[in-house]
Amino acid sequence: KNQVEQSPQSLIILEGKNCTLQCNYTVSPFSNLRWYKQDTGRGPVSLTIMTFSENTKSNGRYTATLDADTKQSSLHITASQLSDSASYICVVSWGGGYNKLIFGAGTRLAVHP
Amino acid sequence: GAVVSQHPSRVICKSGTSVKIECRSLDFQATTMFWYRQFPKQSLMLMATSNEGSKATYEQGVEKDKFLINHASLTLSTLTVTSAHPEDSSFYICSARELGDTEAFFGQGTRLTVV
Repeated sequence: KNQVEQSPQSLIILEGKNCTLQCNYTVSPFSNLRWYKQDTGRGPVSLTIMTFSENTKSNGRYTATLDADTKQSSLHITASQLSDSASYICVVSWGGGYNKLIFGAGTRLAVHP
Repeated sequence: GAVVSQHPSRVICKSGTSVKIECRSLDFQATTMFWYRQFPKQSLMLMATSNEGSKATYEQGVEKDKFLINHASLTLSTLTVTSAHPEDSSFYICSARELGDTEAFFGQGTRLTVV
């Protein structure tokens, strides 16, 4: 069964600290993996997108890694800010068709001052 | 990134009435639009995929007569929730993609509350 599992479910960190969010998937065939940030009551905003051949991609303070062999990805946030408080969703594209997206449940991150 | 505008952002309606949600691509031609539904603390669930000028393709378990989708132009798709009931209360999100582009962009979402 195609699944995307994220951990932890929720996380609280202090402003300025780093954190790493995990994503494991069993989607096959794999096309690409995306990380989105979703603020409460808003639509998701793309952070990174990685294909099979890419193992790391950065977007400012966000760095995503991908290990296609172990089917694991991580999103590292450096020097967290209060505005980083949001849900972070891992999404895996299945078989190349865009409409075949498998969404993870997300990690709810709270950054406290 | 490209901009997708969704309207309204919040709507409250009475049970039995219909509600229309609009999704517009502001700076590109959206050949394909997707409609999602999201319950609190849950993942986005794809409801339907629509290509401009064609009938929408609904996911299993989604009632096409209840969730009417129209994609009559390259910049606008609408989702109409007909005869809404309290269990239809949810967060509805659209995304739009341009022909040949693998990326798609999400709207801001619409919080529907049926009372």
